Amino acid sequence: QQQVKQSPQSLIVQKGGISIINCAYENTAFDYFPWYQQFPGKGPALLIAIRPDVSEKKEGRFTISFNKSAKQFSLHIMDSQPGDSATYFCAASRYSSNTGKLIFGQGTTLQVKP
Amino acid sequence: KAGVTQTPRYLIKTRGQQVTLSCSPISGHRSVSWYQQTPGQGLQFLFEYFSETQRNKGNFPGRFSGRQFSNSRSEMNVSTLELGDSALYLCASSLDPTVNSPLHFGNGTRLTVT
Repeated sequence: QQQVKQSPQSLIVQKGGISIINCAYENTAFDYFPWYQQFPGKGPALLIAIRPDVSEKKEGRFTISFNKSAKQFSLHIMDSQPGDSATYFCAASRYSSNTGKLIFGQGTTLQVKP
Repeated sequence: KAGVTQTPRYLIKTRGQQVTLSCSPISGHRSVSWYQQTPGQGLQFLFEYFSETQRNKGNFPGRFSGRQFSNSRSEMNVSTLELGDSALYLCASSLDPTVNSPLHFGNGTRLTVT
């Protein structure tokens, strides 16, 4: 009930292509879904987040798509650039519980080839 | 504004010893959370503090403990170290858990237990 499953584990995309990372959750009480980006030697940094009242949220080249009935959400990186090469983590929590506790997916290592 | 500061950056300890890690949150942030990151288990929540009180605790043995001081700075302690405690320990701060403000992570303390 507490798991967040993320796929793929690794991803190689050509520069200019679209990177897609998928996550699925089990606990229907989750209602806050952030994505974090982590570069080697650095801590994760918040990229974009969504709540279930919308099906899509876009910030620049990054878009989250959310499917409440399927309990799935995904990150799309449009026009992927070599600087996007990093590890991406999806996460989930209960917004209403006012907590910093996040349940993270296992992570996806993205490599964007020039 | 300075980010989340964690000290030390690297630590090597021997099995059976204890260790204390330190975290200084972003100025004005009053909530601090700790996470353990390993290749096998990913990012796992350890505990969360707000106003010097532990609000949440993850599924870790009692050897893992923490505290928060009146200036919001936090420390975590691991006693009787085991080889499996080798990990990157990440601290994250947020303004106030009551508004579920985004977590800002530090760059972590890399603990190696030999």
